[in-house]
Amino acid sequence: DAGVIQSPRHEVTEMGQEVTLRCKPISGHNSLFWYRQTMMRGLELLIYFNNNVPIDDSGMPEDRFSAKMPNASFSTLKIQPSEPRDSAVYFCASSFIGGGAEETQYFGPGTRLLVL
Amino acid sequence: GEDVEQSLFLSVREGDSSVINCTYTDSSSTYLYWYKQEPGAGLQLLTYIFSNMDMKQDQRLTVLLNKKDKHLSLRIADTQTGDSAIYFCAESILGQNFVFGPGTRLSVLP
Repeated sequence: DAGVIQSPRHEVTEMGQEVTLRCKPISGHNSLFWYRQTMMRGLELLIYFNNNVPIDDSGMPEDRFSAKMPNASFSTLKIQPSEPRDSAVYFCASSFIGGGAEETQYFGPGTRLLVL
Repeated sequence: GEDVEQSLFLSVREGDSSVINCTYTDSSSTYLYWYKQEPGAGLQLLTYIFSNMDMKQDQRLTVLLNKKDKHLSLRIADTQTGDSAIYFCAESILGQNFVFGPGTRLSVLP
């Protein structure tokens, strides 16, 4: 398996622009997580889906952030409008919840976002 | 809510053993994990331990779990420069409520 795939790997944009981050989870996994990592705040869980349904979005910073999972193999995280304080590394992770050690989360390589 | 704590920095000399410590608050955790993050990369699962185990060994890695004190440690034997990275402790309850610690930055000195 190719693991969790994220795109783009790097994104530089100007304040006010819309940013869309994409994630393809590991095939067969039923849960998907979006995290944000910054030096100041460490790793923060933004939202997670189980069977394509958002279960907990309490970590989403504000209404400018939205996430969708239209099917089991694709998810997006959108920021509109983007602000400089959104600059961070955004990770997607997937897991299979429902059996033993497979509950482990597997992380993608991350998208490095810089908002100027 | 759940909380996971780690010391932020650790320096060791190449060839020595490293011990990274972690404490957690949720006694109903089912699994505890150690992840490694190298510069510019995502988090990579190193090892995990089920909450009813005391110890797990995997080559140079030894995980010790003291459930009474809610203390988890990762020992790396014969630490190499390639072990320099940030190590995250994490806990989960049945795969949900995944909580990560702040990470311990391990520096291996030649």
